Amino acid sequence: DIVMTQSPDSLAVSLGERATINCKSSQSVLSSSNNKNHLVWIQQKPGQAPKVLIYWASTRESGVPDRFSGSGSGTDFTLTISSLQAEDVAVYYCQQFYSIPFTFGLGTKLEI
Amino acid sequence: QVQLQQSGPGLVQPSQTLSLTCAISGDSVSSNTVAWNWIRQSPSRGLEWLGRTYYRSKWYVDYAVSVKSRITINPDTTNNQFSLHLNFVTPEDTAVYYCVRDSSGPWGRGTLVTVSS
Repeated sequence: DIVMTQSPDSLAVSLGERATINCKSSQSVLSSSNNKNHLVWIQQKPGQAPKVLIYWASTRESGVPDRFSGSGSGTDFTLTISSLQAEDVAVYYCQQFYSIPFTFGLGTKLEI
Repeated sequence: QVQLQQSGPGLVQPSQTLSLTCAISGDSVSSNTVAWNWIRQSPSRGLEWLGRTYYRSKWYVDYAVSVKSRITINPDTTNNQFSLHLNFVTPEDTAVYYCVRDSSGPWGRGTLVTVSS
């Protein structure tokens, strides 16, 4: 199984400041067949279902604010929130869908 | 806009079968470009992918090894939905269960299933 390791476990950032979350996979999730990284970033607000923010490592889902961006390739990925808003308080997960079983990181709790 | 509506009991007795259904609107369970997943979340296990079904000229299913001997995921083309059946449940199967469209979502709202007598 591909192990997804996130860091940090938790993060406190001031409003308007930048937040950076890292995700490392135990093996590459870059597909040679489509040259895409099979990685998504997921946001889960308290008491809510998870929501996909970014797929293919760097493509924002429709309706996701452009302050959210994803980068990286192969085994190392980053989610950046350029200017933190109060509504961004959540737990953020990375997930690989390169190989079965699809696996998740343990999450990063983002607080103000 | 794709929406997923989950249904099923929130309490299951030990050794019985957990059964959930996910009704799809705005897409087709028979789509040949997406897959339909079940994922669960618990404090002890975090987010755990359980399995998926998808159609590519014929039906396919994939299951996580951890539940492979107990799980069945079935598509229902008549009602445009898919289901999860997990046999011989124990308290360790207590979790919030989500149905999820493909890798980009959406996720269903989740169903808290408690295994207890």
